Amino acid sequence: AQSVTQPDIHITVSEGASLELRCNYSYGATPYLFWYVQSPGQGLQLLLKYFSGDTLVQGIKGFEAEFKRSQSSFNLRKPSVHWSDAAEYFCAVGSGGGADGLTFGKGTHLIIQP
Amino acid sequence: GAVVSQHPSRVICKSGTSVKIECRSLDFQATTMFWYRQFPKQSLMLMATSNEGSKATYEQGVEKDKFLINHASLTLSTLTVTSAHPEDSSFYICSAGGDQDRNQPQHFGDGTRLSIL
Repeated sequence: AQSVTQPDIHITVSEGASLELRCNYSYGATPYLFWYVQSPGQGLQLLLKYFSGDTLVQGIKGFEAEFKRSQSSFNLRKPSVHWSDAAEYFCAVGSGGGADGLTFGKGTHLIIQP
Repeated sequence: GAVVSQHPSRVICKSGTSVKIECRSLDFQATTMFWYRQFPKQSLMLMATSNEGSKATYEQGVEKDKFLINHASLTLSTLTVTSAHPEDSSFYICSAGGDQDRNQPQHFGDGTRLSIL
């Protein structure tokens, strides 16, 4: 069975500091990996995705993520966070496109300190 | 880009009422749509896969008679919570993807906050 683990429930970062959110997955085939962001009471916005090719993927809002097959990880990074980055972040795995539903991690709540 | 519209965004109703939530793909056709449920401060859990022109596929533990799904066209799927009770209160989110192209990610609606009194 597929699963996603986000080990950090909460992370607090000072504004301007760098950020790394961890994500580990378990998937029986070639994974399609995603990071989504959710503001309170809102839907999900796709930050970036990995399907194949270059293991370092660039997303919106200055985010990037690196796929490491040997570690079954897909960690999200940002060199300098802004107060507007405070939100809930979800890592997800699937088989690609719209063929199958996604399996989500439990999410990481990002708090930005001034 | 592709957009998925979900309506209503919020609904409050009395226990025993049935509530219908609509999910529309605005600029693409979606043979398959998905319904998720999110409890407060928790992750999204896949409830069911909505298939155009056929029966939905429900995840284990999801009552198909409680959560009726209809996917009558390539742009519309509906979720009806029948005889809703307070424990059905939750955030429901639909998604649709480029099922003709695996390299297109799923796009999510903005969700529906359902509160049963």
